[in-house]
Amino acid sequence: AQSVAQPEDQVKVAEGNPLTVKCTYSVSGNPYLFWYVQYPNRGLQFLLKYITGDNLVKGSYGFEAEFNKSQTSFHLKKPSALVSDSALYFCAVRDSSNTGKLIFGQGTTLQVKP
Amino acid sequence: EPEVTQTPSHQVTQMGQEVILRCVPISNHLYFYWYRQILGQKVEFLVSFYNNEISEKSEIFDDQFSVERPDGSNFTLKIRSTKLEDSAMYFCASNPQSGGMNEKLFFGSGTQLSVL
Repeated sequence: AQSVAQPEDQVKVAEGNPLTVKCTYSVSGNPYLFWYVQYPNRGLQFLLKYITGDNLVKGSYGFEAEFNKSQTSFHLKKPSALVSDSALYFCAVRDSSNTGKLIFGQGTTLQVKP
Repeated sequence: EPEVTQTPSHQVTQMGQEVILRCVPISNHLYFYWYRQILGQKVEFLVSFYNNEISEKSEIFDDQFSVERPDGSNFTLKIRSTKLEDSAMYFCASNPQSGGMNEKLFFGSGTQLSVL
């Protein structure tokens, strides 16, 4: 079965510093990977996805993610964090069934301090 | 960008009561989903719906749950007899293609259900 794991419950960085939110995946077949962000009292907002092609994927709000097949990872990154990036981040993988559903990781809370 | 809308944003109910959570997916989308998120936990898949029938459901989606697309625009989740453990944020989502593997899901802002 497809699954993703986010090993860190929380990540804290100072504003202006680079940030990384980690995600590893386990899939049968080709991985279709996504990152979503959830701000307080809001729904899930799409950040970026990896389907095929370039291993470095660029997304919304200056975020990018690096797909690493040998390490089965899809870490979310940003070169310079903003306080407004503080939120809950979910990594997700598309399920192998034909329904298109996503399987989510546990979520990582990102706290960016001024 | 088009949005998935959910109503109400908050729903408080007594244990054993029926609740209906409502969603209006994006109009040209073909696949619809319900997810839930218990406070502090991951987002869990409940059910997917395509061509006016359930295409997949999780073990959470037992006989107390049902979904319906009554009028071609609304997509509802009904919980027949709520339990305390049904308290969660419920998200509706839609997908523009028929399970297209490279398409993102569009999520609504959720309905916070509190069962007392």
